[in-house]
Parts: sequence; structure tokens; C-alpha cells
Amino acid sequence: KAGVTQTPRYLIKTRGQQVTLSCSPISGHRSVSWYQQTPGQGLQFLFEYFSETQRNKGNFPGRFSGRQFSNSRSEMNVSTLELGDSALYLCATKTNPGGNTGELFFGEGSRLTVL
Amino acid sequence: SQQGEEDPQALSIQEGENATMNCSYKTSINNLQWYRQNSGRGLVHLILIRSNEREKHSGRLRVTLDTSKKSSSLLITASRAADTASYFCATDPDRGSTLGRLYFGRGTQLTVWP
Repeated sequence: KAGVTQTPRYLIKTRGQQVTLSCSPISGHRSVSWYQQTPGQGLQFLFEYFSETQRNKGNFPGRFSGRQFSNSRSEMNVSTLELGDSALYLCATKTNPGGNTGELFFGEGSRLTVL
Repeated sequence: SQQGEEDPQALSIQEGENATMNCSYKTSINNLQWYRQNSGRGLVHLILIRSNEREKHSGRLRVTLDTSKKSSSLLITASRAADTASYFCATDPDRGSTLGRLYFGRGTQLTVWP
């Protein structure tokens, strides 16, 4: 069974640009979460999607958005990039969002550098 | 903050020694999980312990949970150089919500020297 696939793995952008990151979950996993990881703040929750609906949102500005498609694939977008958006963006999936949160399966991440 | 906090921040040991990492958290939980991350890579789930469990084993891993002290420990026995990585605890808070979200600590950087 293929794992969680994130693309692109690395990208460099300049301030003011926008970026779109993609996440393909493990087959059968319908819940997709996104986390931002930086040395200063650690792992911060961005949002979670299930059935093409955002179910949970972290404390990030509106420049950070996401969506989920009918095949459970998800994208996140960051507009008007700032230097502080440089981070490893991690996608995590699981079978469903209900009940207690069980094991999350993470992708390898997308390393974003903003110059 | 609901995030867990790992202690120590960094741990350096020789191969064959045991490594113990601790995690403290603030809210009541459904479960607590430990993850491992090799440098710049994704996180890998190691073990999950539920709030009604006190100890759990998986291979060379032993996890304990003390809900009265809101703390957990991860023990890696007979460590190997390949265990070098960052280790994170993550809590699933008991908020009565069906939404899934984990709160991660800052991690312990473990270095195992050959």
C-alpha cells in the first residue's frame, strides 16, 4: 500500500508569491490534516479535512487555506508569502475523523523556503 | 497551551545504552502517542497508549502513562545508532469532540553514538 505522498518535496519562493502544496492520502484514508513545522514553533496544526469539508482549523491567518477533493486528495495554499512561512509542511492522514484520534500517517513533507 | 513538553530537549548516549524521554501535558486526554522523525523527514508513529492504560510495550520500546501526574515516558532499550532521531509526544485531548487533532511537543533530539 502506497504511503502518503506530498508534492513538491522542496520549493523556493519569494515574498509576496503564493504556493500550493499537494497531499495524496493512503488509499482508504479519508481524513487529511496539515501541520507546519518550524524550529521556533515546533509542529503547529493548520487544518483538517474530511468529505471535502474543513472540520477543524488551527490558529493561522487567512492567507493559509486548503481544500479536499472527492478522491480525498488535499491541497493547501499560502498566499502573499512571508519570510516566516518558511517551514516544513506536513500532511497526515487517517481513516476517518470520528471518535478518538488514532495513529496519524505522515508524508515526507514539503520544504518551503521563502526568500 | 495544550501541547506536551518533552524532556530532555537533547539526549546523547552510546550504543547499547537505554534512552528515556519524558513528556508532560496539561489537559485530560483520550490517548497519548509517540512519534519519531528523522532529520527533515516525515513523522513515523511508534506507539499509542490510551488514558486507561499504564504501560505498553512494542519491541524495544516501553511507554508509561501517569494520568494523575499528566506525564508519560518513552524508554528505548539497547539503543542503536539507527535510533538517532527526534522523538515527539502527541496528545489527543479529551474534549468530547469527534474531530481529530493532535497536540505535539517540541521533541527530544536523541543521538546514539556507535
